[in-house]
Amino acid sequence: GAGVSQSPRYKVAKRGQDVALRCDPISGHVSLFWYQQALGQGPEFLTYFQNEAQLDKSGLPSDRFFAERPEGSVSTLKIQRTQQEDSAVYLCASSLTEGATDTQYFGPGTRLTVL
Amino acid sequence: GQNIDQPTEMTATEGAIVQINCTYQTSGFNGLFWYQQHAGEAPTFLSYNVLDGLEEKGRFSSFLSRSKGYSYLLLKELQMKDSASYLCAVRWDTNAGKSTFGDGTTLTVKP
Repeated sequence: GAGVSQSPRYKVAKRGQDVALRCDPISGHVSLFWYQQALGQGPEFLTYFQNEAQLDKSGLPSDRFFAERPEGSVSTLKIQRTQQEDSAVYLCASSLTEGATDTQYFGPGTRLTVL
Repeated sequence: GQNIDQPTEMTATEGAIVQINCTYQTSGFNGLFWYQQHAGEAPTFLSYNVLDGLEEKGRFSSFLSRSKGYSYLLLKELQMKDSASYLCAVRWDTNAGKSTFGDGTTLTVKP
């Protein structure tokens, strides 16, 4: 595809449910990032992959959050036992190389609402 | 910490010029990005600065002073479609690929 895609675009979960959010980066992009964006705030870094390797997961807020990118392309962010404070937009971004100055291209996000 | 500070809101008139400021902690700085984000949409890249000075790109320009920990985004000939949130994001040299975003400046352009 032409850009980063994410699915689902909207997800409503009951507290305690597990959810899985998918990201399809731009084909050939080495780096992939997950961010969490609360209403009225900027994106907050969650985790970073270089190909299939998860090089930084310092932003994951708890051990209920887990991300993977097993073949170095599609990535899944999984949240177990969702809580109301997990409600946010989850953004995925990819960049062509592993360079720190490379432009990140963002997907449209998944808006998660936990009831 | 690695605080990124930007004004929360700004208002300007169509056709005018507006400057959106961003300040950040200088230690470990490795580049600054500006993104535009319309409500309900993904951030889109506007500019990147790593050296001091002004980078001009059409109606948008971005300035950086590394020693002062300061950047601004300058928008000229404002159009109604420029109403959006403008996010300042800093890359750090200690975390490969990690960027810290400010909370964004919501710009409202009025006729």
